[in-house]
Parts: sequence; structure tokens; C-alpha cells
Amino acid sequence: NAGVTQTPKFRILKIGQSMTLQCTQDMNHNYMYWYRQDPGMGLKLIYYSVGAGITDKGEVPNGYNVSRSTTEDFPLRLELAAPSQTSVYFCASSRRQGANYGYTFGSGTRLTVV
Amino acid sequence: AQTVTQSQPEMSVQEAETVTLSCTYDTSESDYYLFWYKQPPSRQMILVIRQEAYKQQNATENRFSVNFQKAAKSFSLKISDSQLGDAAMYFCAYTEGGTGTASKLTFGTGTRLQVTL
Repeated sequence: NAGVTQTPKFRILKIGQSMTLQCTQDMNHNYMYWYRQDPGMGLKLIYYSVGAGITDKGEVPNGYNVSRSTTEDFPLRLELAAPSQTSVYFCASSRRQGANYGYTFGSGTRLTVV
Repeated sequence: AQTVTQSQPEMSVQEAETVTLSCTYDTSESDYYLFWYKQPPSRQMILVIRQEAYKQQNATENRFSVNFQKAAKSFSLKISDSQLGDAAMYFCAYTEGGTGTASKLTFGTGTRLQVTL
């Protein structure tokens, strides 16, 4: 079982560049999430999806976009990267009512914007 | 909006001793779940323990136990017989229960636990 796979693991971007963080899960989970973790801080929700074709904003969505064309994939798009987006990004997934069945996290992508 | 507060940025414990990490939360919901996650230097998020709000009994997982005080909205983690491998960042997290929610997790800012010889 691969679980939740995030690519790349590390990336350095220049200000104004764009990139897509990939997230794939092979557990047929309905719910998927993107979080960011700033140094010394907890995780904050960027976007989430409760199924293919359905996405919604979390706490800190500005500067990001997502899509969910399949159950497996939930890419996060950064347009016009800014230094404030330097962070570690985590993708996670769960079945419906994740609190009962648990969450699976990817290993994170460390992004630096210079 | 729900909030989760961890007031101890760093804690230190000697090997084989007991340490308690604090967490408070704010919610108007009655159906919710609380979690403690461990994040070692590898960055992997590892579930330590889970508590359902409607269960009065405190959850226990081997050396890890919680003190869940629903009225006080407090959810502390006790680690007994601390081991070097327990050194990590610990996050308290909350999610609403019930159908119709997206089971979104709200995290505290974390407590870094050091374990010394």
C-alpha cells in the first residue's frame, strides 16, 4: 500500500514562478486535504475536497488553487509564488467521517520561495 | 470557528519519567473528536491517541493516556516511562463528528518534547 504520495519532496521556486504539488492516494478515500505548516507552527487547512469534482476553501486559500478530477488525485497549484508561501505542505486523505476511520498523511513537500 | 491552543511551546523530560502536554480547545459542538499527533524529524504525522467527545472514559494507548475534561474543554496527553524515541513535536487536533461534515482537522501550534538521559 502506497498510502498518500506527495511529489516533489523538496522544491525551490523563484518569486513569481508557478508550480503544482502532486498528491495521490490509493485507498479510495473520499476526502482529501491540503495543509501548510509554517516553521514552529501547527498545520493550517488550505483546501479540501469531499469527492471528485467538489472542492472548497479552508482557512488559508489565498494564492492557491486545487482541482479534483479523480478520486485518487488532488493537486495543489501555486500561481505567482511569494516568499510567504515558503512552508511545508502536507496532503492527507480520509474515508467519510475521518474521525472514526483515521487520516493518512503524505510525507510532505518542503517549498522555499526565494 | 473552533480553536485549539497548546500553551507549552517546549517541554523536557528525563528518560523513564512522566510528562504531561496540555491542550485546550473551544467549540460549541457536542459531537467531536480530539487527537494527539506526533511529528518526528522525518515530518511524518503519526497518530498517537484519539478521544471521542461522547465517551467519558479517557483513551489509553500503551504508555500514552489522555485526561479529557469536557466541561473545561481540556485534553492533555500523559506520556509515561518516556523513551528517547518519544522526542518529537506533538500536535493536538480537533474535528467535528457527524455526517455532513468534511472531517476537517484543526491543529494547535504544537509542543516540542525533548527527552534527556
